[in-house]
Amino acid sequence: LAKTTQPISMDSYEGQEVNITCSHNNIATNDYITWYQQFPSQGPRFIIQGYKTKVTNEVASLFIPADRKSSTLSLPRVSLSDTAVYYCLVGDMTGGFKTIFGAGTRLFVKA
Amino acid sequence: EPEVTQTPSHQVTQMGQEVILRCVPISNHLYFYWYRQILGQKVEFLVSFYNNEISEKSEIFDDQFSVERPDGSNFTLKIRSTKLEDSAMYFCASTETASKTQYFGPGTRLLVL
Repeated sequence: LAKTTQPISMDSYEGQEVNITCSHNNIATNDYITWYQQFPSQGPRFIIQGYKTKVTNEVASLFIPADRKSSTLSLPRVSLSDTAVYYCLVGDMTGGFKTIFGAGTRLFVKA
Repeated sequence: EPEVTQTPSHQVTQMGQEVILRCVPISNHLYFYWYRQILGQKVEFLVSFYNNEISEKSEIFDDQFSVERPDGSNFTLKIRSTKLEDSAMYFCASTETASKTQYFGPGTRLLVL
């Protein structure tokens, strides 16, 4: 299983773009990269998933370089409600895989 | 949008008692998971379940724990002889066969006294 490393915490202000980078040096060929968001006392919520290059949805963008040893979650124009813990997960395609959550990145968005 | 649901939302039990936490996964999902999160700590994988059997389990998931899909909709986690350290949020998740996106339920907060 590829281990992931993320910053413990980040601060930002409303309206700014936030980029959270995750390192996964031992990512395997079949591994996908998935980001989740968790608010206090709630279950993690899927944000975005990708395999390579760039993926964008209505919430975020995910940038994955060619070597796939890292990925960057980009949140455009954050608001106070984006204050949460963001987790980067790496896992393969077969389903039923042993999902390992790291400590995540605590994002604080200030007014 | 379909959701994973969990009951109860809160459960208080005495040490040594058995508890059953219930989950209703999204209807067309085939893989089911349980996680726990001790207050202030990270989300920890407990077990994954597919085709009526456990596919993966963590070191935490010892003989004290069991999972079951008793009918076509519910997925349960049973904790026998609860301990103080079992106090945590327990999250259920489910996923479609070909997708890596796990959808999590709102959790059950278990307090063992």
